[in-house]
Amino acid sequence: AQKVTQAQTEISVVEKEDVTLDCVYETRDTTYYLFWYKQPPSGELVFLIRRNSFDEQNEISGRYSWNFQKSTSSFNFTITASQVVDSAVYFCALILGGSARQLTFGSGTQLTVLP
Amino acid sequence: ETGVTQTPRHLVMGMTNKKSLKCEQHLGHNAMYWYKQSAKKPLELMFVYNFKEQTENNSVPSRFSPECPNSSHLFLHLHTLQPEDSALYLCASSQDNSGGFQETQYFGPGTRLLVL
Repeated sequence: AQKVTQAQTEISVVEKEDVTLDCVYETRDTTYYLFWYKQPPSGELVFLIRRNSFDEQNEISGRYSWNFQKSTSSFNFTITASQVVDSAVYFCALILGGSARQLTFGSGTQLTVLP
Repeated sequence: ETGVTQTPRHLVMGMTNKKSLKCEQHLGHNAMYWYKQSAKKPLELMFVYNFKEQTENNSVPSRFSPECPNSSHLFLHLHTLQPEDSALYLCASSQDNSGGFQETQYFGPGTRLLVL
């Protein structure tokens, strides 16, 4: 069975600091998809990125960047120059390719950015 | 993008009440999902509908009854709930869920349910 681990339960940083959220996953499948979602206090999960297991290219989107490394089964998320509006719970998730249909979520990391 | 809406946003009900949660997606998707998010727990998938057919039921108690009349609407009917059912209930949709290419799930804002 697959598993996603977010070891950091809570992180606090001061505005403008860089912060990295860790995500480690476990699966025996070779085809899978990894996701990051943001959940602000309002409750809605906001999709941030999807990455498939055959694409190890890192990605940058504005202040956000993602580092996917199959060798360590990690898919880490970095926010550069953090802002107060980045405060939220961030979830990493995994879904298998093929006939499996369930998104497996990590337990989430509460990020607090202090002014 | 807020293409998935949920009503009501907040609900308080007694254990003997019957209520329904509604989800609507405006994204042209064919798969819809119900998740439960309890405090200090990972998100739990409850039900999956693909092209209006239920394809997953993750051992959810029968006091939760889903209904999917069409690909745009999903309901969760609640009856004789327990206090431990208090949680945030999230609806999501994706292009489909037929296996092969796994589409991104887009979530609604959720319904915060409190059972007294």
